[in-house]
Amino acid sequence: AQSVAQPEDQVKVAEGNPLTVKCTYSVSGNPYLFWYVQYPNRGLQFLLKYITGDNLVKGSYGFEAEFNKSQTSFHLKKPSALVSDSALYFCAVRDPMDSSYKLIFGSGTRLLVRP
Amino acid sequence: NAGVTQTPKFQVLKTGQSMTLQCAQDMNHEYMSWYRQDPGMGLRLIHYSVGAGITDQGEVPNGYNVSRSTTEDFPLRLLSAAPSQTSVYFCASSPNTRTAYYTFGSGTRLTVV
Repeated sequence: AQSVAQPEDQVKVAEGNPLTVKCTYSVSGNPYLFWYVQYPNRGLQFLLKYITGDNLVKGSYGFEAEFNKSQTSFHLKKPSALVSDSALYFCAVRDPMDSSYKLIFGSGTRLLVRP
Repeated sequence: NAGVTQTPKFQVLKTGQSMTLQCAQDMNHEYMSWYRQDPGMGLRLIHYSVGAGITDQGEVPNGYNVSRSTTEDFPLRLLSAAPSQTSVYFCASSPNTRTAYYTFGSGTRLTVV
């Protein structure tokens, strides 16, 4: 079955330190991979996506993610965290062969950046 | 501003009541969809549409109805609300099924008592 796992419910880092939010997936073929961020009482905002090409994808607000096909992972990273990065982060996958074109979401990881 | 607009933002219903959640986009997107977000479960697809007059079921369609009479609008109807439908509902659109880019609305928080 298709699935996305975000193994950490919460990640805490100090401002200025690097951050990593983990994501692994189980989808056959060559999936499309996404990261979204959700601030309180707001909708989901697109951060970045991987379709094909360079395994390192750069996105909004200084975030980047690395696609690792052998480990079926797509971890989100940022070299220097800001307090304003505190939010709920979702990893999502789309199977290009799925006729519903749906996104399969992980359960989310809450990022807390301490001043 | 261009985007996906959802109304209402908040709603409280009594068990058995019906209501319609509205979703409108002004980007001429072909693809529209409804998700529900439950704690610890991410978002799950309820229904989707690949164009006006075409709708289909997603992962969790029971208790919900949709229609797509225009490109812009994709309302979600709760036929007889149940406490299990307490959730946050998001509408998302995409230019077409070939484009892997989705725009999400700001959500409707629904409580069924």
